[in-house]
Amino acid sequence: GQNIDQPTEMTATEGAIVQINCTYQTSGFNGLFWYQQHAGEAPTFLSYNVLDGLEEKGRFSSFLSRSKGYSYLLLKELQMKDSASYLCAVLTGANNLFFGTGTRLTVIP
Amino acid sequence: DAGITQSPRYKITETGRQVTLMCHQTWSHSYMFWYRQDLGHGLRLIYYSAAADITDKGEVPDGYVVSRSKTENFPLTLESATRSQTSVYFCASNSRSGEKLFFGSGTQLSVL
Repeated sequence: GQNIDQPTEMTATEGAIVQINCTYQTSGFNGLFWYQQHAGEAPTFLSYNVLDGLEEKGRFSSFLSRSKGYSYLLLKELQMKDSASYLCAVLTGANNLFFGTGTRLTVIP
Repeated sequence: DAGITQSPRYKITETGRQVTLMCHQTWSHSYMFWYRQDLGHGLRLIYYSAAADITDKGEVPDGYVVSRSKTENFPLTLESATRSQTSVYFCASNSRSGEKLFFGSGTQLSVL
């Protein structure tokens, strides 16, 4: 079976740093994606990790530990526009992407 | 750059009716996908297609039919809609296996 766990909701302050965790147990692993989804909109790609370690892209970074089945998304210098849901997804096969239920982040002034 | 478009944006239908959701992409991507998104569930894959005339079932295919006669179009049909199919449906595409997905804006379907 496939399982991805993420916190349901998080709140953070504008200008702060927030870390969104994702743990997974899947029957296969070919990489892990993070997507951002604003309310009422489509998901958009944020990051991809296939090897252990940290991938940095501007204010956003994503970390992967394959041995621990663990990833996190780090958002720095939070802005109000970062209020959105963040979806963790594992590529379990060649093109089979399994999604977690998402973490809804609220950024407050 | 039109990208990937879905229609209609909103649809209300009745139980038992047939309804078709449209998806069109202009990138000539080989792979296209249909997902549904419900509270308490992640995005769940309904069907996907690797190329024209090649389709395969995903995690939750029951009650749905797809076709792909042209690379750019991937319609999803609910043959006899049920209330449990009330959901937001997203179409997505990518050019190569394992690459990031590009999503359409979604269709919010209500089955009464």
